Amino acid sequence: AQSVAQPEDQVNVAEGNPLTVKCTYSVSGNPYLFWYVQYPNRGLQFLLKYITGDNLVKGSYGFEAEFNKSQTSFHLKKPSALVSDSALYFCAVRDDTGGFKTIFGAGTRLFVKA
Amino acid sequence: DTEVTQTPKHLVMGMTNKKSLKCEQHMGHRAMYWYKQKAKKPPELMFVYSYEKLSINESVPSRFSPECPNSSLLNLHLHALQPEDSALYLCASSQRTATNEKLFFGSGTQLSVL
Repeated sequence: AQSVAQPEDQVNVAEGNPLTVKCTYSVSGNPYLFWYVQYPNRGLQFLLKYITGDNLVKGSYGFEAEFNKSQTSFHLKKPSALVSDSALYFCAVRDDTGGFKTIFGAGTRLFVKA
Repeated sequence: DTEVTQTPKHLVMGMTNKKSLKCEQHMGHRAMYWYKQKAKKPPELMFVYSYEKLSINESVPSRFSPECPNSSLLNLHLHALQPEDSALYLCASSQRTATNEKLFFGSGTQLSVL
């Protein structure tokens, strides 16, 4: 079964500093990995997805994700955090047995302090 | 138009009421989804429609009844709900149900069952 784990409930970072939100995955076949962001009282927004062969994936709003097959990780990164990045971030994996299901991690709340 | 529109944004209902949630997209997507999200938790898949046919029902109680009248519309009919059904109900769509397809989410309906 496919699963993702986000080990941190919350990440705190100062504005202007680099940020990392961690995600590890467990898949039986090819990894179809995604990051989504959720602002208060809103639906989720797509940030980026893993593309086979690319160890560094660039996404929306200056975010990027680093794929590491040996560590089964897909960490979300940004070189310089903004206060407006404060939100709830979900790592997700798409079920490759038909593609119907997206399974979300527990979520990590990012708090960027001015 | 890259939006998924959900109505109403907020709904309060008694346990004997019948109500419906509505979701609409005009992106030509052929897969539509209902998710349930409790506060500070990840979204949980309820139903998947692919080409207007119900493809997945994640063992959801029968008091939730989905309907897909056409390729642009998705409804969720509610009847005899319980207080524990109070949650944010999210609709999503994707171009297809392929494994690398990202999801487009609506802003959700915040449901309170009294």
